Amino acid sequence: DAKTTQPPSMDCAEGRAANLPCNHSTISGNEYVYWYRQIHSQGPQYIIHGLKNNETNEMASLIITEDRKSSTLILPHATLRDTAVYYCIVRPLRGTYKYIFGTGTRLKVLA
Amino acid sequence: NAGVTQTPKFRVLKTGQSMTLLCAQDMNHEYMYWYRQDPGMGLRLIHYSVGEGTTAKGEVPDGYNVSRLKKQNFLLGLESAAPSQTSVYFCASTLLTRPSGGVFSTDTQYFGPGTRLTVL
Repeated sequence: DAKTTQPPSMDCAEGRAANLPCNHSTISGNEYVYWYRQIHSQGPQYIIHGLKNNETNEMASLIITEDRKSSTLILPHATLRDTAVYYCIVRPLRGTYKYIFGTGTRLKVLA
Repeated sequence: NAGVTQTPKFRVLKTGQSMTLLCAQDMNHEYMYWYRQDPGMGLRLIHYSVGEGTTAKGEVPDGYNVSRLKKQNFLLGLESAAPSQTSVYFCASTLLTRPSGGVFSTDTQYFGPGTRLTVL
């Protein structure tokens, strides 16, 4: 599985967009980018995933660069409840059970 | 649906004691996982199960045993607890799909609320 690199922490003002970067320069062609978050020691929660096209759902948007070596998770209007640790995970969609969680980015949304 | 539930939520053990953590899911998921999370760290996979009656080792299996006698339940056992096993334990489950003639695919993971275990 490809390794990911994320900044350890970020701050964002409430109501502004939070842009969380992730580097995955060794990503393979069949590997997807997944994002999960963990709020205050609860169980991690799925946010979004994608292969090469940009994706959007009700929670967030995922922007993957054309060379797929990095991606950005965007929370368009961050709220205090978005304060959490965000994990970027790279894994194949098929043929594996594994999720490798790193240490993630601790996002703090400021009032 | 209750999703993924874990029992107990908190537990304090003395070194050498044994206990079992229970994970239950009502989503008919095939795959179930046990992770541990130490302070300031990500999740590490202990054991997992691809179906009823089958289990396999993850990244950090030593000191733990598991059983999956029913599809909806995944048990994690500590036979002789050690202080190094103080951690938060998370259970997760995922749906397995297998397109006709294709390789299996695992869907997103659903996590339980966690069990905080302290071993003195």
